[in-house]
Amino acid sequence: DAGITQSPRHKVTETGTPVTLRCHQTENHRYMYWYRQDPGHGLRLIHYSYGVKDTDKGEVSDGYSVSRSKTEDFLLTLESATSSQTSVYFCAISASNRRDGYTFGSGTRLTVV
Amino acid sequence: TQLLEQSPQFLSIQEGENLTVYCNSSSVFSSLQWYRQEPGEGPVLLVTVVTGGEVKKLKRLTFQFGDARKDSSLHITAAQPGDTGLYLCAGGASGSRLTFGEGTQLTVNP
Repeated sequence: DAGITQSPRHKVTETGTPVTLRCHQTENHRYMYWYRQDPGHGLRLIHYSYGVKDTDKGEVSDGYSVSRSKTEDFLLTLESATSSQTSVYFCAISASNRRDGYTFGSGTRLTVV
Repeated sequence: TQLLEQSPQFLSIQEGENLTVYCNSSSVFSSLQWYRQEPGEGPVLLVTVVTGGEVKKLKRLTFQFGDARKDSSLHITAAQPGDTGLYLCAGGASGSRLTFGEGTQLTVNP
């Protein structure tokens, strides 16, 4: 019943290469978010979107960019991957900004070597 | 930046025991949510509380929002191995996005 899918689920890439992670939703929700999850830091917001072509930075946005050309797709790009970007990345969606709760994807485990 | 502190960070108990985990902040939140995350998966929403003093029950799980809307607790009665997971609280203040705590890793041993 997944209304949100992330791809790829796992990726290993080399330092300095660009990487794009994809989040696709079938719920027609307005809000989409990208988080990274690291031990000792919890979930940290990278970027979020509140509509097509409307995006804003989160607390750890340096080195990342996003695009949302369609309601259903939210792309996260690591412009030049570094080892510090090795993490598990989660996409989330919500109908409203907070109260409805977030639905998370299953995550992408990214390793930068 | 609003911070949410969860305690304890780690909890290992035997099946059948009761437990409480806490989520505290110095900030007031208009709503607070609890999520559970299992290995290899994203967090799944358990409950949202919005009114100070509100108590919600989900089977053996009881969630409470503090009167001042700065803290919350999750109590599990007669824990089972299936309750094992990372429990995350997340708060939303007026006009802001959700802030997540770092989580409580619960292990229930058979």
